[in-house]
Amino acid sequence: AQSVAQPEDQVNVAEGNPLTVKCTYSVSGNPYLFWYVQYPNRGLQFLLKYITGDNLVKGSYGFEAEFNKSQTSFHLKKPSALVSDSALYFCAVRDGGYSTLTFGKGTMLLVSP
Amino acid sequence: DSGVTQTPKHLITATGQRVTLRCSPRSGDLSVYWYQQSLDQGLQFLIQYYNGEERAKGNILERFSAQQFPDLHSELNLSSLELGDSALYFCASSVVDRLPTGELFFGEGSRLTVL
Repeated sequence: AQSVAQPEDQVNVAEGNPLTVKCTYSVSGNPYLFWYVQYPNRGLQFLLKYITGDNLVKGSYGFEAEFNKSQTSFHLKKPSALVSDSALYFCAVRDGGYSTLTFGKGTMLLVSP
Repeated sequence: DSGVTQTPKHLITATGQRVTLRCSPRSGDLSVYWYQQSLDQGLQFLIQYYNGEERAKGNILERFSAQQFPDLHSELNLSSLELGDSALYFCASSVVDRLPTGELFFGEGSRLTVL
């Protein structure tokens, strides 16, 4: 069965500094990986996805993610954090039956002014 | 705005009761997914419907059921409610029934509190 792990419950970073939110995955076959963001009292919003191709994937709001097959990781990154980036971030993997996404437990990102 | 509409936004009820949560997918989307979000379990997939038919089932309790109607809206029925059912219930939609490359569009959720 597919799974993702987000090892950090919370990440704290100062505004203007680079940020990384970690995700590792376990799949049989080719991984299809996603990042979603949830702002307070809102639903999840799609940020970016890795299907195939370049290991560095660019997404919405200046975020990017680096796919590393040897380390089975798909870390979310941003060169310069904004206070408005503070939110709950979810990593997800497509399941073997193609029908659903399996989400990690989420990482709360707090960006301080 | 994702285009997915969920009602009600908030619901408070008592143990043993039954509630119905409603979801209208984005225009043109045929697939509807239900997820439960709680502090201890995270985001758990419950069930998926595609064009009125059940497509996939996740960690959905027998006390819970869902359906998708001809107009493509979906309802999630929760019965014999327990305190542990208190959670945020999300509906999501997509165009296709399989997600090799696609993304899900989420509603803002229905927060259920069982007292």
